[in-house]
Amino acid sequence: DAKTTQPPSMDCAEGRAANLPCNHSTISGNEYVYWYRQIHSQGPQYIIHGLKNNETNEMASLIITEDRKSSTLILPHATLRDTAVYYCIVLNAGNMLTFGGGTRLMVKP
Amino acid sequence: EPEVTQTPSHQVTQMGQEVILRCVPISNHLYFYWYRQILGQKVEFLVSFYNNEISEKSEIFDDQFSVERPDGSNFTLKIRSTKLEDSAMYFCASSEVGRVTGNTIYFGEGSWLTVV
Repeated sequence: DAKTTQPPSMDCAEGRAANLPCNHSTISGNEYVYWYRQIHSQGPQYIIHGLKNNETNEMASLIITEDRKSSTLILPHATLRDTAVYYCIVLNAGNMLTFGGGTRLMVKP
Repeated sequence: EPEVTQTPSHQVTQMGQEVILRCVPISNHLYFYWYRQILGQKVEFLVSFYNNEISEKSEIFDDQFSVERPDGSNFTLKIRSTKLEDSAMYFCASSEVGRVTGNTIYFGEGSWLTVV
């Protein structure tokens, strides 16, 4: 499985963009990058996923580098409710999500 | 928006008792999963299930665990003889297809199991 590396924690000011980085240098050509978040022990919530191209949905944008070795999740206007642990996961061929430690994002007023 | 629902939200049980956690996956989904999260630790994969049989299971999913889809809507996790270390939040999840990257797995809100 491709391993991901994320900073353990980040702060962001309310209303500003939150940019969460993830390194996945061993990713294979057909493996997708997924982002989930977990708000205070609730069920992991799907945010976005991508393969090569940048993706955007109503929650966030995902920027994947051309070599696919890293990506950035962008929350364009972070709110206090975006405080959560954010997980960057490379989905393996067995379709099992392997959760690491994630990044604990604290959005501050 | 369709969602995965789990019951009970919280259960307290005596050590050695059997526990059944229930899940209703999203209706058109075919792959089902159980994950667990011990307090303060990572979310861990337990088992995946497709076409009425286990597809994958982790080392955690030993003989005391079993899964079943007893009817067309429910998906259950049974723990035969609970131990203190089984205390955790158990998450059910489902996806439309499996073994295909690009497919999204959706999680329920969890069942918190406390073994005393």
